[in-house]
Amino acid sequence: GESVGLHLPTLSVQEGDNSIINCAYSNSASDYFIWYKQESGKGPQFIIDIRSNMDKRQGQRVTVLLNKTVKHLSLQIAATQPGDSAVYFCAENIRGGSYIPTFGRGTSLIVHP
Amino acid sequence: EAQVTQNPRYLITVTGKKLTVTCSQNMNHEYMSWYRQDPGLGLRQIYYSMNVEVTDKGDVPEGYKVSRKEKRNFPLILESPSPNQTSLYFCASSLSPSAGNTDTQYFGPGTRLTVL
Repeated sequence: GESVGLHLPTLSVQEGDNSIINCAYSNSASDYFIWYKQESGKGPQFIIDIRSNMDKRQGQRVTVLLNKTVKHLSLQIAATQPGDSAVYFCAENIRGGSYIPTFGRGTSLIVHP
Repeated sequence: EAQVTQNPRYLITVTGKKLTVTCSQNMNHEYMSWYRQDPGLGLRQIYYSMNVEVTDKGDVPEGYKVSRKEKRNFPLILESPSPNQTSLYFCASSLSPSAGNTDTQYFGPGTRLTVL
């Protein structure tokens, strides 16, 4: 079946650098995407979402880019801080479809002070 | 404080011994769901509920039951647990998806279950 996946299992950066986490999806019917952050021992926490009628959405220090042509999603974190260290994963769902989102496996972001 | 709570947080049990993991939310959310998280597989949905008395299967419902008698509570029941149900379980809630748009889900802290 179609699935959502992440390119890199681990990303190490220095504090202050910008981080980019990527996600590929294969279901062209997907029209709603969410990025979650999961810290060790905690549940996933919503970061930012984007709908398919948008290419870019910005939050506080985070930006999500959506490229529907190549079915690619990315999360950019500006001025990465040690507190950003966590597992990040994307999820996708389909408007009008089932209420069963598909989650990627996750990328571990490690921020070195 | 708006939150989703789960109990217990950790549980070790034996094969075949029925157990229930409780989930409660204080945000008056209509939609609730249960996930399991396994290494290398990510989150997979077990069951979800659109509202009171309305439940439906997710991707991996086998071996699990749920009930939604009240809006705030959504317990997960394992009638006869098996070792392959050893996992990290998360409950989540959100406002009711409208026109198929899944709203932001708020997750509980997780329940780590070990079935021997």
